[in-house]
Amino acid sequence: AQSVTQPDIHITVSEGASLELRCNYSYGATPYLFWYVQSPGQGLQLLLKYFSGDTLVQGIKGFEAEFKRSQSSFNLRKPSVHWSDAAEYFCAVGPYSSASKIIFGSGTRLSIRP
Amino acid sequence: DSGVTQTPKHLITATGQRVTLRCSPRSGDLSVYWYQQSLDQGLQFLIQYYNGEERAKGNILERFSAQQFPDLHSELNLSSLELGDSALYFCASSVESGGITDTQYFGPGTRLTVL
Repeated sequence: AQSVTQPDIHITVSEGASLELRCNYSYGATPYLFWYVQSPGQGLQLLLKYFSGDTLVQGIKGFEAEFKRSQSSFNLRKPSVHWSDAAEYFCAVGPYSSASKIIFGSGTRLSIRP
Repeated sequence: DSGVTQTPKHLITATGQRVTLRCSPRSGDLSVYWYQQSLDQGLQFLIQYYNGEERAKGNILERFSAQQFPDLHSELNLSSLELGDSALYFCASSVESGGITDTQYFGPGTRLTVL
């Protein structure tokens, strides 16, 4: 079955500390991978996406993610978090053929400790 | 601001009622997607329209329907509402017909509460 697992429901990090949010996927075909962020009262915003090529992907707001096929993982990282990064983060996977078939993970809520 | 607008922001109604949620896509976008986000089911794709035609269907109940009008705005109609329909409903839009490279831009959502 196709699925996306975000094992951490809630993470708290101190401002200025590094961040890694975990994402594991199970997908039969070539996966196309995404990270979205949802700030309170807002819709989802695309942070970055991986289709092919370099397995380290750079996104907006200083985020990056690394695709590891052998581990079926696509973890999101940021070297130094800011208070404005507090939000819900969603990992997603989909097929090449259709954006409507994207499967979203359950999300990780990030809190920032001052 | 993604450029996608949704109205209303909040909606409170009773079981058995019918409501209509409205979405205006970004200027120039031809596709509109509807999603439901609930605590127990997470974010689920409901339906996609492209230039007025239904393009893809997901986990949309028969009590729910949608359409996209000639000016490209879309409406999601929810009828015979049940308590379990309480959720955040998102609309997203994209430029093209929805290949994986077609970035979706999400609206702020409509929070529906069914009492």
